[in-house]
Amino acid sequence: GENVEQHPSTLSVQEGDSAVIKCTYSDSASNYFPWYKQELGKGPQLIIDIRSNVGEKKDQRIAVTLNKTAKHFSLHITETQPEDSAVYFCAASGEYGNKLVFGAGTILRVKS
Amino acid sequence: DAGITQSPRHKVTETGTPVTLRCHQTENHRYMYWYRQDPGHGLRLIHYSYGVKDTDKGEVSDGYSVSRSKTEDFLLTLESATSSQTSVYFCAISVSAGELFFGEGSRLTVL
Repeated sequence: GENVEQHPSTLSVQEGDSAVIKCTYSDSASNYFPWYKQELGKGPQLIIDIRSNVGEKKDQRIAVTLNKTAKHFSLHITETQPEDSAVYFCAASGEYGNKLVFGAGTILRVKS
Repeated sequence: DAGITQSPRHKVTETGTPVTLRCHQTENHRYMYWYRQDPGHGLRLIHYSYGVKDTDKGEVSDGYSVSRSKTEDFLLTLESATSSQTSVYFCAISVSAGELFFGEGSRLTVL
């Protein structure tokens, strides 16, 4: 089955700097790659996703890149703000998103 | 907006006792999921449902059973709770192609 590895497990950045979180996956048939943000005491919330027919997707300060050949994808957050502090999860699945397999998560701390 | 209510939100129980967690959605989404979240493991799928009385196992289904007798309700049962089942349990619904919407979680402690 699918296996998703996520790095780093913790990341501290200064406010205004960029943050990058990387994930690799094992199943070449996977073609849906979402990113979730989880704030303390809440459920994860989708912040951006990408499908295999696209190499990059951007939404304001966040962007995701996908390299299907290397089987890795990354989350980029620019101009980080204190409210970006949270746990971020990457995930992978087949086309319809059923049975998403998640990475272990990255704790992002933005220091002001 | 999709709405999910999980109950109970917190529960402390003893080893060997049965526990049922409930997930209720306010819309008629077909797919519902139960995940558990543990430090260092992220979210792992326990069971999921693709319709009334249609369920299937996820990657960590041992020791858990589920039932879905109505579209809006998805129950997760631990027949005989063990300390390894201490975790935070999240219910989720598939609201569009791929996107999962999660509930607030149920924190279970098994002593």
